[in-house]
Amino acid sequence: ELKVEQNPLFLSMQEGKNYTIYCNYSTTSDRLYWYRQDPGKSLESLFVLLSNGAVKQEGRLMASLDTKARLSTLHITAAVHDLSATYFCAVGEWGDDKIIFGKGTRLHILP
Amino acid sequence: NAGVTQTPKFRILKIGQSMTLQCTQDMNHNYMYWYRQDPGMGLKLIYYSVGAGITDKGEVPNGYNVSRSTTEDFPLRLELAAPSQTSVYFCASSYSNQGWGKLFFGSGTQLSVL
Repeated sequence: ELKVEQNPLFLSMQEGKNYTIYCNYSTTSDRLYWYRQDPGKSLESLFVLLSNGAVKQEGRLMASLDTKARLSTLHITAAVHDLSATYFCAVGEWGDDKIIFGKGTRLHILP
Repeated sequence: NAGVTQTPKFRILKIGQSMTLQCTQDMNHNYMYWYRQDPGMGLKLIYYSVGAGITDKGEVPNGYNVSRSTTEDFPLRLELAAPSQTSVYFCASSYSNQGWGKLFFGSGTQLSVL
C-alpha cells in the first residue's frame, strides 16, 4: 500500500530565508505532483515530476525528484509572504491509477 | 472552458439523509477522482475512474457510491449520511494518454452532516 509522508507538517519562517519541504513515499512511483492550497480555496498545480532526477522551477519554488530514494523536495528560495499556503505532494504508484496525497505542509512566512 | 465544476458548493444534511454531489468536466479528460479533505489530514481518495463505465475504490470508499456513464460526469452518492462524512469534497480530473498530466480540481463542496 502506497504511503506518502511529508515533513515538516508545519513551518514558520521569516521572509528572505531558504527552506525545504520533504516528501517521502513507500513504493515505486512513476509520477509525483506538488500542489498549493490557500485557506478556503481549491488546489493549484505547481509541478509534475515524471522521471528520476527531474527538476522544475517556477519563481522562488524548485521541485526535484529522486526515485531511487523515493524522495521529492520542494525548495523555497528567499521566501516572501505571498508564498504562505499549504503545500501538498501527491504520488501515483507505478502500474496503478490511484493518486495518493500527503498530509500537507502548512507554510507561514513572517514579514 | 469551465474546467471542473462541482455542485453544490455548500450543503447541510441530517443524519440518515442521502444526496448526490455533482462533478462535470469539459476538458475531455479520461481520469476523474473524488477526494475528501478533513482538517490537518490532507486529501483522502474516495473513488476514481479511468473512463466511462469504469470505476474503482480508493482509500476511503465506505458510505459512498459513484457512477461514470459519460466522460464528462462523475457524481458521488452519499447514502445514509453520517456525521463522520462531514468534510470538504473535491473532484479532480486529468488527461493520461501519452504521459501523465496534472490534476485539475473543482472548487469543492463543503458538506456538514448534523
